[in-house]
Amino acid sequence: ETGVTQTPRHLVMGMTNKKSLKCEQHLGHNAMYWYKQSAKKPLELMFVYSLEERVENNSVPSRFSPECPNSSHLFLHLHTLQPEDSALYLCASSQDPSSGELFFGEGSRLTVL
Amino acid sequence: AQSVTQLDSHVSVSEGTPVLLRCNYSSSYSPSLFWYVQHPNKGLQLLLKYTSAATLVKGINGFEAEFKKSETSFHLTKPSAHMSDAAEYFCVVPENNDMRFGAGTRLTVKP
Repeated sequence: ETGVTQTPRHLVMGMTNKKSLKCEQHLGHNAMYWYKQSAKKPLELMFVYSLEERVENNSVPSRFSPECPNSSHLFLHLHTLQPEDSALYLCASSQDPSSGELFFGEGSRLTVL
Repeated sequence: AQSVTQLDSHVSVSEGTPVLLRCNYSSSYSPSLFWYVQHPNKGLQLLLKYTSAATLVKGINGFEAEFKKSETSFHLTKPSAHMSDAAEYFCVVPENNDMRFGAGTRLTVKP
């Protein structure tokens, strides 16, 4: 039990589908993150939420839409994705964004056909 | 902007031999630095962190790292590798609300 739970662990979708990734943290942290991990690329930060407000959006395409309804839950809504969006999507949480100490979930492996 | 460079994409050692994973950082001052580990099909886990309290930092699973300002390095070491150490290791430096991850070093441990 890592304290950060991601569902689903695996997802296959077509380019016209709409799906969502879910992340839940049980650590009482104030900040949550979405990272993208592609083969042979460094981890890329997609979104940061602190106290449920988005504080960072690293120029992510609009086909990715985050939602943070409360400090324990984070969603990533997906629509009209491209095959190059296939990757491992990692959720993380931290007590303080400036601490640098992140707690990661096990990731959602996304394949776009 | 701060960044880290992991000098080896892949390191292979035999079980029981020392491990050295190299990381250089680029910063105009002494930054905070982290090492994270990712086992196959798992998320990342914090191994250890340097925050200027002591230059030699001990982490979990017998790993340690030494901050060397003169060399701008923060190499990760372990005296004796175990099969369970096989994983991907990331050197990381914070940058504003982001964490700059190195490209990663894949550690293979041979029996």
